[in-house]
Amino acid sequence: DTGVSQDPRHKITKRGQNVTFRCDPISEHNRLYWYRQTLGQGPEFLTYFQNEAQLEKSRLLSDRFSAERPKGSFSTLEIQRTEQGDSAMYLCASRRTGGNEKLFFGSGTQLSVL
Amino acid sequence: DAKTTQPPSMDCAEGRAANLPCNHSTISGNEYVYWYRQIHSQGPQYIIHGLKNNETNEMASLIITEDRKSSTLILPHATLRDTAVYYCTCTRGGSQGNLIFGKGTKLSVKP
Repeated sequence: DTGVSQDPRHKITKRGQNVTFRCDPISEHNRLYWYRQTLGQGPEFLTYFQNEAQLEKSRLLSDRFSAERPKGSFSTLEIQRTEQGDSAMYLCASRRTGGNEKLFFGSGTQLSVL
Repeated sequence: DAKTTQPPSMDCAEGRAANLPCNHSTISGNEYVYWYRQIHSQGPQYIIHGLKNNETNEMASLIITEDRKSSTLILPHATLRDTAVYYCTCTRGGSQGNLIFGKGTKLSVKP
């Protein structure tokens, strides 16, 4: 496995700006997940894809957030009009479909909104 | 998914076994117990999972009580590199991606 890759590792932005993060899952994994983690808390589920279809979205995912996985490979997570409360680590994970396949997480993108 | 309860922190001496408890008293019959850990500045890493039988792999052992209301993760010979936050979570098989993580247990392995 080459692992789940996320880019960038760190992003600093000013309030009100838009940001986009990218996730490249492990190549044969057709499920891709996004989580958000704030300091001292466990990761919180945001959304997941089965191939290119977005199958579930958490209530945490406000209308300023949008995620895509256009060709069923890499995914992007965009946050529009960022707020200071969006500051967090954004984690991507992937796995094969079915059974109890384990999740593989990337190292995350740390977002700081000033 | 069942709610889990873990102690916020534990210490362990290097080379000794680390036993991390988890309570999941509301677990349902089709829910698995999963353990992940997160080392500082990295994403969570899968450790082990089980339904009702005890499980062992190269990383750890998982002991699930007969009534399935609690479990213990055992790291048989803890090293300094095992210092991490350990998360216990329960989910139905197949829906693992919607894992609900609590705050976990911060394990500190000391020399």
